[in-house]
Order: sequence, then C-alpha cells, then structure tokens
Amino acid sequence: TQLLEQSPQFLSIQEGENLTVYCNSSSVFSSLQWYRQEPGEGPVLLVTVVTGGEVKKLKRLTFQFGDARKDSSLHITAAQPGDTGLYLCAGLTLRDYKLSFGAGTTVTVRA
Amino acid sequence: DSGVTQTPKHLITATGQRVTLRCSPRSGDLSVYWYQQSLDQGLQFLIHYYNGEERAKGNILERFSAQQFPDLHSELNLSSLELGDSALYFCASSRSGGLDTGELFFGEGSRLTVL
Repeated sequence: TQLLEQSPQFLSIQEGENLTVYCNSSSVFSSLQWYRQEPGEGPVLLVTVVTGGEVKKLKRLTFQFGDARKDSSLHITAAQPGDTGLYLCAGLTLRDYKLSFGAGTTVTVRA
Repeated sequence: DSGVTQTPKHLITATGQRVTLRCSPRSGDLSVYWYQQSLDQGLQFLIHYYNGEERAKGNILERFSAQQFPDLHSELNLSSLELGDSALYFCASSRSGGLDTGELFFGEGSRLTVL
C-alpha cells in the first residue's frame, strides 16, 4: 500500500488541453515535492511546497498544497508534447524522517 | 544533468550472481540515497547515508548492502540475485543529512536485468 496515492494512473490528452494530477494521503507531510521523470532518466525536481494552502506557479504548471498538508495537485495549462512524462509526488514525514513517493501519473500529450 | 553519476547504466546478469552499483553524488552533497524502481512497485526507498554513516533504512533486502566511502561516493551491493530484483536502481543526493525539504537530485539510474 502506497502512503501517497496518485490519480489518475494514466492520462492522455491533446496538445493545448488542460490537465490535473492529484496526490492524496491520510498522513500529514512537512513538505511535498513534485518530480517529472522521462524514459531512461532519473526524476527531476519540479517544485517543493511546505505551507498548507500554498500555491506555486511555474510557467504553465500550478502546484497546490492542501490546507491540512495531506494532499496536493498539479495543474498544467495548455499542455505541450514536452510535458509528456511520469509525474511523481513525494512527501516528507518528520516523525520517521522518511521521504515517500507516489506510484506516479503517466502523462502523454499528443501533438 | 543533475550532477549525480551512476555506473553502470545497464547490467545483465544471471540468478545467484552478485553485482555492485556505484554512485557519485553532486559536488558538496553529503547525503546519498538509493531507490529501486520497478513497474509494479514504483519508486521504493532502500537506504540513506550521510557523510559515511547509515541514516535510515527502507525496504532493503538482507541480500542487499550499501556503504558510503570517505570521498562520499557510494556503492550498492546486490547478492544472490533473483529474477524479481530486475529493476532500475537510482541514486540521489542532497546537501544535508536531514532531508530538510525532501529535495533530491537523482542520477540517471542503473538498469539491472537478472536472467
């Protein structure tokens, strides 16, 4: 059982459409990260959120941390083929100082 | 380029064998983490070393062991290999030992295939 549940597992959309990926847990995290992984490469950090209710924007990507620091979402506006990849969320729990990853959402943006 | 170097990139071996995966962290990073990624399990934390000492253990099998050397590079040793050990093994590094924000820098991984 994953500590962090990501949904959907797969997402295929047309270029120009919007998409949202969710990351949910029953645990409280001191911080939460989003990574993107492309085939044959390691995950690359996109953003870190640390405050409940925090919203961070990175060009066309918007990240939100839930008020209770148990969940997060990633919204991509006007998706492009370059956004294709595996999106992973990771949460840090201070009680055991452990960084746990979700299983990921595979996003495919068709040209 | 994350600055984290892993070798080898690909490794094919037989059941029962032993292999060693190597990782050099980013310059200045004292922490090294090892993760295993398979299709059905996702990214699983194995072990964390900080400045040569073991900091935390995750779901690491007894057949697996790791160490971090004085020059901060790390090795992950996998022995008595089984088919189910086939996976991508990632090394990641961070500046501190406390996982202050959970920000890790990953290498490109070592793909292990056990036949």
